[in-house]
Amino acid sequence: SQKIEQNSEALNIQEGKTATLTCNYTNYSPAYLQWYRQDPGRGPVFLLLIRENEKEKRKERLKVTFDTTLKQSLFHITASQPADSATYLCALDIRNYGGSQGNLIFGKGTKLSVKP
Amino acid sequence: EAEVAQSPRYKITEKSQAVAFWCDPISGHATLYWYRQILGQGPELLVQFQDESVVDDSQLPKDRFSAERLKGVDSTLKIQPAELGDSAMYLCASSLSSGQTYEQYFGPGTRLTVT
Repeated sequence: SQKIEQNSEALNIQEGKTATLTCNYTNYSPAYLQWYRQDPGRGPVFLLLIRENEKEKRKERLKVTFDTTLKQSLFHITASQPADSATYLCALDIRNYGGSQGNLIFGKGTKLSVKP
Repeated sequence: EAEVAQSPRYKITEKSQAVAFWCDPISGHATLYWYRQILGQGPELLVQFQDESVVDDSQLPKDRFSAERLKGVDSTLKIQPAELGDSAMYLCASSLSSGQTYEQYFGPGTRLTVT
């Protein structure tokens, strides 16, 4: 069955450092992968999408990589700030595994805390 | 900026009662999703609509849950009867159905507590 793992439940870093979050998956060949941010008590907010034929995607201080051989995506936040503290979710498209177009499977998320 | 609207934000109900949640997606978004999120977990898809048609309800517990999107715009998710294990955040999301990308826009969610 499909399985997604986000490497740790919590990550604590110092302000100004680069945060690196990991998303690993098995039994998939997703067409794309997405990252979302979720604050407590609120719905997830879309951040970035990366397709299977893309190695890297950037948006301001965010960078996502996608290694389909390792079945892994890395999510980086450079020059992290306390305001970046939130839970970050990775999600995989499952259209190739019986899902409809647009269907996603989400990981459990990694809670990032950036200390001043 | 357009947003997905959900109501109510919070709902407390007793087990065996009926409960309903409402969602209004972003205008023009043909695809609508209902998710359930248990604390500490990622969202899990319950049902997906394309316009007014259900395209995936394989994870919807159909003995007690129902969902409709009659005019292809807003949607209602119902639970009858509610059980203690239904306590969770219920999230609605919408997305454009055209093109290659399917980023989803989530509403604020409805926090359900079943007592």
